[in-house]
Amino acid sequence: DAGITQSPRHKVTETGTPVTLRCHQTENHRYMYWYRQDPGHGLRLIHYSYGVKDTDKGEVSDGYSVSRSKTEDFLLTLESATSSQTSVYFCATQREREETQYFGPGTRLLVL
Amino acid sequence: GQNIDQPTEMTATEGAIVQINCTYQTSGFNGLFWYQQHAGEAPTFLSYNVLDGLEEKGRFSSFLSRSKGYSYLLLKELQMKDSASYLCAVRNQGGKLIFGQGTELSVKP
Repeated sequence: DAGITQSPRHKVTETGTPVTLRCHQTENHRYMYWYRQDPGHGLRLIHYSYGVKDTDKGEVSDGYSVSRSKTEDFLLTLESATSSQTSVYFCATQREREETQYFGPGTRLLVL
Repeated sequence: GQNIDQPTEMTATEGAIVQINCTYQTSGFNGLFWYQQHAGEAPTFLSYNVLDGLEEKGRFSSFLSRSKGYSYLLLKELQMKDSASYLCAVRNQGGKLIFGQGTELSVKP
């Protein structure tokens, strides 16, 4: 357990509005990831970070941006939310030189 | 393309043994993971295999054959609390985890 929290845990928003999800970790893990989980698709990588201010795109990055200004925080922004972005969003972290990713509790997002 | 296949659903009886299979085709291979996910909760790490063979950890074991692109998770002495989704994931040569859709296991009394 990497002491990972996500906020908010639940959110309902309207199409076209910007939304920011926050992932916070207390274990000083270097790597951080954002995934979305949808029925029939499993977990899919949106963006990831390998250090402060170092981020890169994952498999399903369109419509999302990220920022990491501090080791402990990784923000995911939906620039203009669409109904197709209704999902459960998980943050994960990983220590340097270790293999395992640890997941946060998730954020349920509903875009109306 | 990259593909991870595992059965969608399985049912087993309390006290029994169940084997959940996973086959994969990915761009490179740098390890295979199994995670457990209870409904509405986060995935939690179960096992990691990078070399061929069986890794045992209590009631859970995981097997890997890299030449066959195949793994299984073996759960012994099933308990009701083992009812969950089991996720197979492969780390590809780019270092990213590719997940299967998960196997929903129901344990019945």
